[in-house]
Order: sequence, then C-alpha cells, then structure tokens
Amino acid sequence: EVQLVESGGGLVQPGGSLRLSCAASGFTFSSYAMHWVRQAPGKGLEYVSAISSNGGSTYYANSVKGRFTISRDNSKNTLYLQMGSLRAEDMAVYYCARDGSYYDITYYFDYWGQGTLVTVSS
Amino acid sequence: DIQMTQSPSSLSASVGDGVTITCRASQSISSVLNWYQQKPGKAPNLLIYAASSLQSGVPSRFSGSGSGTEFTLTISSLQPEDFATYYCQQSYSTPPTFGGGTKVEIK
Repeated sequence: EVQLVESGGGLVQPGGSLRLSCAASGFTFSSYAMHWVRQAPGKGLEYVSAISSNGGSTYYANSVKGRFTISRDNSKNTLYLQMGSLRAEDMAVYYCARDGSYYDITYYFDYWGQGTLVTVSS
Repeated sequence: DIQMTQSPSSLSASVGDGVTITCRASQSISSVLNWYQQKPGKAPNLLIYAASSLQSGVPSRFSGSGSGTEFTLTISSLQPEDFATYYCQQSYSTPPTFGGGTKVEIK
C-alpha cells in the first residue's frame, strides 16, 4: 500500500524557516517524481514544487521560487521541502504527492499524504 | 499561467441524482485534465486523469469528458460518500493549475 506521511509543520514567525519531510513507503520511491501542493485554510489547491525521480531536475512555482528548496533522499525514501523567508501567505496545509507516471514528470498526482500544517504568525 | 474556471462553485443535490461539473481552461490543454475529490480535513483523491481515464479503484459512476478548453465531470447517481469538493487540474503546462473547486452538498 502506497503511503506518504508528512511531518515538520508548525508555528513559525514571519521571515523564519522550516523544513518539511515526507516519508514514502509501499512503492519504489526512486522511480517516481514527487511534488508539494499546498492549501491555505478554507481555500483551494496551489501547486508548489516538483522534483524528478533522481533529484536532478526541480521546478518551483513563482510564488516560492528563491525561498523554498525541494530535495529528496532516495536511500531514505524521503522527500523534503526547505522553506525560508516565510510569509503570512505561505500559511497552509502542505501535501506531498506522487507523480502519476512512472519515471516521468507529468504533473498529476495519484497519491497524496495527509498533509502538515504550516502556520506563519508572530 | 493557464487559468482553470469551474462551475458551479457549489451545488445541492439528493442521493441518486446525476451531477455534472464543468471546468474551462483559459487556453487549449488538449486532454491533459485531471479531477480530484476532497473531503473535509482530508487530502485530495485522484478520480479521473487525462480527461476521461478512471483512476484505479474509483467507482464507475464517475466519468470525465472533454478536450481543448471545456471539460466535464459527471457523477451518474450521487451516493452519500460523494458529498465533497471537486477540483479540476491541468497538467498541460507548468505551473500546473487547479480550478477553484465545486462543493457538492446534500439537498
């Protein structure tokens, strides 16, 4: 059974940093691109970032480019999102999600984690 | 960025009703369109990919159609567990973008 479990969310002050993790199991993690998608409280879904299966290629939404860094450790089956210079508008539930295609990046998401809440407030 | 517009933003329906949700793209996206269901406090769940392909494990009462700029998600006979918010999403070009959602409520 595919499982994605996020952790690392919490309360952070504006301008602060936080690192999210997503532990994957039940599939060959190194064969799939992975993504982060976020959802502000009571709002819709917003795409954040992608990383290829081998980590060699990354993509960021303009809203986070230069502030967030996506990475992965295929030996640990774990995806990361390092978030810096956090703003109030970054407050959201952050979901990790698996790409729907084997090896390629197709930008649709067939499995999602349960999400981790990031609160940005002083 | 490609803008995705869903209509209606909400609807009320009864168990057994047929329901159709529309999603329009600001430019042609061929058939690169996906649908998700999200229940309160839960992660989204993939229902349909590539406009009309049913994700494994999803009941056959869900179907998708369309190409170009106009797409529909149809639920043939609404079940109690289908009351949720539905999102379309284009994966034709980066950044991938979502529609604003359609909340399906019990009448």
